[in-house]
Amino acid sequence: DTEVTQTPKHLVMGMTNKKSLKCEQHMGHRAMYWYKQKAKKPPELMFVYSYEKLSINESVPSRFSPECPNSSLLNLHLHALQPEDSALYLCASSQEGSASSYNEQFFGPGTRLTVL
Amino acid sequence: AQSVAQPEDQVNVAEGNPLTVKCTYSVSGNPYLFWYVQYPNRGLQFLLKYITGDNLVKGSYGFEAEFNKSQTSFHLKKPSALVSDSALYFCAVRVYTGGFKTIFGAGTRLFVKA
Repeated sequence: DTEVTQTPKHLVMGMTNKKSLKCEQHMGHRAMYWYKQKAKKPPELMFVYSYEKLSINESVPSRFSPECPNSSLLNLHLHALQPEDSALYLCASSQEGSASSYNEQFFGPGTRLTVL
Repeated sequence: AQSVAQPEDQVNVAEGNPLTVKCTYSVSGNPYLFWYVQYPNRGLQFLLKYITGDNLVKGSYGFEAEFNKSQTSFHLKKPSALVSDSALYFCAVRVYTGGFKTIFGAGTRLFVKA
């Protein structure tokens, strides 16, 4: 299985809602990522988990809260978002290790988020 | 600072003609370079990578890329373009800053006309 799955595919939420995005992979990858992508722009890194521990937080607002319950799952909890947070949210995974910085990432199809 | 530049917002090519999508990089140390493709409303797909060794790297769907250290470039090429190659292409470099992260170029939109 060389697939990263993301649910839901589409999400519309109000600014007072709480919702969660989910990501799953069964490739045995120990690094997982959340990206935000605006239309026709490159993905912007939000968070990196390595061996289920948060290793990079790109100064993301606290209304985004990541969680890595186990090596196969990655969640992104959303609360009190703003309309400018509307974007495609991509999850990715890769094999990782101290001497393996050259591994490609496998991306999920993304969740299209609209904040009203 | 580590960075990747894609100087062209858009590349237009006729089907059957060769295509080139340009990328230059600026990194300290050895560069780990990647190309990804993104079709509309989809995630990114890995095409190929350069780590070390042969400067000509072959990847998926008939794509290849040439690493040029003196020009700090890693251009993506294909001998004969297909209409189905029309997509958004990202050049990227992999770096370590307390964790491994990928820095993407701005992207180049490729249009292949029949």
